[in-house]
Amino acid sequence: EIVMTQSPATLSVSPGERATLSCRASQSVSSNLAWYQQKPGQAPRLLIYGASTRATAIPPRFSGSGSGTEFILTISSLQSEDFAVYYCQQYENWPPTYTFGQGTKLEIK
Amino acid sequence: EVQLLESGGGLVQPGGSLRLSCAASGFTFSSYAMNWVRQAPGKGLEWVSAISGSSHSTYYADSVKGRFTISRDNSKNTLYLQMNSLRAEDTAVYYCAKRCGGGSCYGWVDYWGQGTLVTVSS
Repeated sequence: EIVMTQSPATLSVSPGERATLSCRASQSVSSNLAWYQQKPGQAPRLLIYGASTRATAIPPRFSGSGSGTEFILTISSLQSEDFAVYYCQQYENWPPTYTFGQGTKLEIK
Repeated sequence: EVQLLESGGGLVQPGGSLRLSCAASGFTFSSYAMNWVRQAPGKGLEWVSAISGSSHSTYYADSVKGRFTISRDNSKNTLYLQMNSLRAEDTAVYYCAKRCGGGSCYGWVDYWGQGTLVTVSS
């Protein structure tokens, strides 16, 4: 079973600054990595798939990088609406299995 | 616009049963695999189950295998999750989640419903 580990658990950043979130896989997942944003009381929203491709309507300040076991989500120039919990997820084509990281809470400094 | 609307959650005693539904709209439902993902209060996301567009194939997390059954009715654009032998640790918000589609899709989830809360308690 692949284990996804996110760091840090909580990240405090000031608006306008850059945030860097990390996700590590226990074994290679190639580029089968997605990032989701979840705000309190809301469903997750897809931000990035294929490790680096932005989903529809996601602003360019969100970017993803990495492959294999090490992945990064970067949010440049944080806006107030970006403070939320972020999850990474590895996925398999078929049979479908999904494993999520434990999440990184991005909070206002 | 893709919409996924879950229903059927509520309070149930340990050992009881519940059936969740997810009404889908805004896409050709039968063409897409679907999933259930849950989130315990204050915790992270856990994939529960998946079903192919034709219902030919189903998959389950080890934590629910033998107790939960996923199904779909493509004539009604509706996804289901039958949950039996419920335990306290099944308490969570259950999300209906659509798998991506098309030639470039390699399995990620692209849309989520708002979720329905299941509470297992005596």
